[in-house]
Amino acid sequence: GESVGLHLPTLSVQEGDNSIINCAYSNSASDYFIWYKQESGKGPQFIIDIRSNMDKRQGQRVTVLLNKTVKHLSLQIAATQPGDSAVYFCAEYDAGGTSYGKLTFGQGTILTVHP
Amino acid sequence: EAGVTQSPTHLIKTRGQQATLRCSPISGHTSVYWYQQALGLGLQFLLWYDEGEERNRGNFPPRFSGRQFPNYSSELNVNALELEDSALYLCASSLGILAKNIQYFGAGTRLSVL
Repeated sequence: GESVGLHLPTLSVQEGDNSIINCAYSNSASDYFIWYKQESGKGPQFIIDIRSNMDKRQGQRVTVLLNKTVKHLSLQIAATQPGDSAVYFCAEYDAGGTSYGKLTFGQGTILTVHP
Repeated sequence: EAGVTQSPTHLIKTRGQQATLRCSPISGHTSVYWYQQALGLGLQFLLWYDEGEERNRGNFPPRFSGRQFPNYSSELNVNALELEDSALYLCASSLGILAKNIQYFGAGTRLSVL
């Protein structure tokens, strides 16, 4: 069945460094991949998405890379700040069949940024 | 512009009781989604409503149900509560059929079943 997983459950970086959060997925039929940030006591916040026919998409301080050959997704955060400390989830969206409307989430990576 | 709002923030119930959780989507959004986030687990899809109709549901028993009102707000009802129902219940909304991949979440309702 579908699954989205993460290589690393925790990541610690120094303020100002670049962060890379990785995600493996298994559903080659997914149409979109999405990254969310969840701070303590809050709901997930949309960061960026990428369509399955793209390899790279950039936002403000963030870049998402998609490698369909190895079914791998990554989120790069430039000049990481203490406010970036949170749990980051990757999610996939497959518009077909029984997955219609459903986001499938990975387990999450805890990012800690040290001042 | 207000985001997705959920109430109550916290809810404490005992086994066998019923819980009702409420959600108001972002203005203009017609789709509402419910997810369960149990401790140590990722988000699990529960239900999706659009234009008042249930469009899809996840692998949860029938005692998890809900509805969407004409103003697009939604309720999630959990009957015959069990201890393992304790979790953060998150509501999300999207613009509708054409934008399901971008879902905006509320802060959630923390349900504790004692």
